[in-house]
Amino acid sequence: GQNIDQPTEMTATEGAIVQINCTYQTSGFNGLFWYQQHAGEAPTFLSYNVLDGLEEKGRFSSFLSRSKGYSYLLLKELQMKDSASYLCAVSFNDYKLSFGAGTTVTVRA
Amino acid sequence: DAGITQSPRHKVTETGTPVTLRCHQTENHRYMYWYRQDPGHGLRLIHYSYGVKDTDKGEVSDGYSVSRSKTEDFLLTLESATSSQTSVYFCAISEKEGAYGYTFGSGTRLTVV
Repeated sequence: GQNIDQPTEMTATEGAIVQINCTYQTSGFNGLFWYQQHAGEAPTFLSYNVLDGLEEKGRFSSFLSRSKGYSYLLLKELQMKDSASYLCAVSFNDYKLSFGAGTTVTVRA
Repeated sequence: DAGITQSPRHKVTETGTPVTLRCHQTENHRYMYWYRQDPGHGLRLIHYSYGVKDTDKGEVSDGYSVSRSKTEDFLLTLESATSSQTSVYFCAISEKEGAYGYTFGSGTRLTVV
């Protein structure tokens, strides 16, 4: 599979900001997705980046730098319900999504 | 929510027995995928389909086969289950490839004892 790297765990306080980084190999890149997955549930779509820059959607933003093979997901004004795993997924030349192992975010009161 | 259901939701089976998991969609999407999810590995593609009777292997296809005789159904079969196939299996659908993300089913938790 493709090397898609993201941190395993992150902890933050309610109301704070957390940034989840994702790096990937640049060869054959087509697009990058972020998914949220609560424990025992299915992944759900958060964002999609294909061009460089920042995409903002409410409290969540996603950034992409294609030349650096780098993306981040920014979660602002953290709420307890944001405790979940966040999956970075990349579409390469074959268009199938390859996933990172996921980052578990724990929000503490 | 997208119409995608997986059955069964949970299954315990014995080593060496065949097992079939079902994915059913009502969205008429062309593309369907089977992934497995294991701690430390994330989601890994087992098999995928780009139309009726058109399927291909993913990165972890050994020990698995699939069939798609109708647009709405994508079956995953473990020919002879092994303990290493204990996992959570997710089906996903997509309208098109490329810029279109996936919609996932609720998953099947399979335990092979």
